[in-house]
Amino acid sequence: QSVLTQPPSASGTPGQRVTISCSGSSSNIGSNAINWYQLLPGTAPKLLIYSNNQRPSGVPDRFSGSKSGTSASLAISGLQSEDEADYYCATWDDSLNGWVFGGGTKLTVL
Amino acid sequence: EVQLLESGGGLVQPGGSLRLSCAASGFTFSSYAMSWVRRAPGKRLEWVSGISGSGSSTYYADSVKGRFTISRDNSKNTLYLQMNSLRAEDTAVYYCAKTVRGWTTDAFDIWGQGTMVTVSS
Repeated sequence: QSVLTQPPSASGTPGQRVTISCSGSSSNIGSNAINWYQLLPGTAPKLLIYSNNQRPSGVPDRFSGSKSGTSASLAISGLQSEDEADYYCATWDDSLNGWVFGGGTKLTVL
Repeated sequence: EVQLLESGGGLVQPGGSLRLSCAASGFTFSSYAMSWVRRAPGKRLEWVSGISGSGSSTYYADSVKGRFTISRDNSKNTLYLQMNSLRAEDTAVYYCAKTVRGWTTDAFDIWGQGTMVTVSS
């Protein structure tokens, strides 16, 4: 059971906008910045969003993040086939004194 | 180019030990907190352990506390994970990861390619 809750799956068609949610508590999302990672098969995780809504250089502006209270979301607009991957939210948990990851959401581009 | 290269994975029997290494290059290693994150086959990402840039502060997931030890040698630009009393559930790909701006609670922007640890008799 993950401390952060994500839907196990999401899907969309090319060009569509998809959002992935991440729900936590006051000791993690409520107190700290949320980050999002993309996992493509057989590759290392890639940082997509950090500090709630910041994109590292090289990440397309199709990817955006937001946070409100103890929940956060990742939005992907103009969906492309290469966006098919697993997406994870993560943040620091003050009670656990460590990082916590969501269970991951598998995005399928139909 | 900023790079992280893990090594030391392999097959080990339950109860055995293994030491993972992560060689860093392309940045001022001592200025950045680092972490180990793992992913068991078919499972989610799981943070394992973290260490401050100086090495003075260390953090562990409950699942490995008392069995794993994280350390770093800033003179060698290398991060380590000593894993003792290994269990089948420790089987996973282990990644080392660098923080974006250096502090412990920061996101991980650079990841190694991962090293596989298999615990089995």
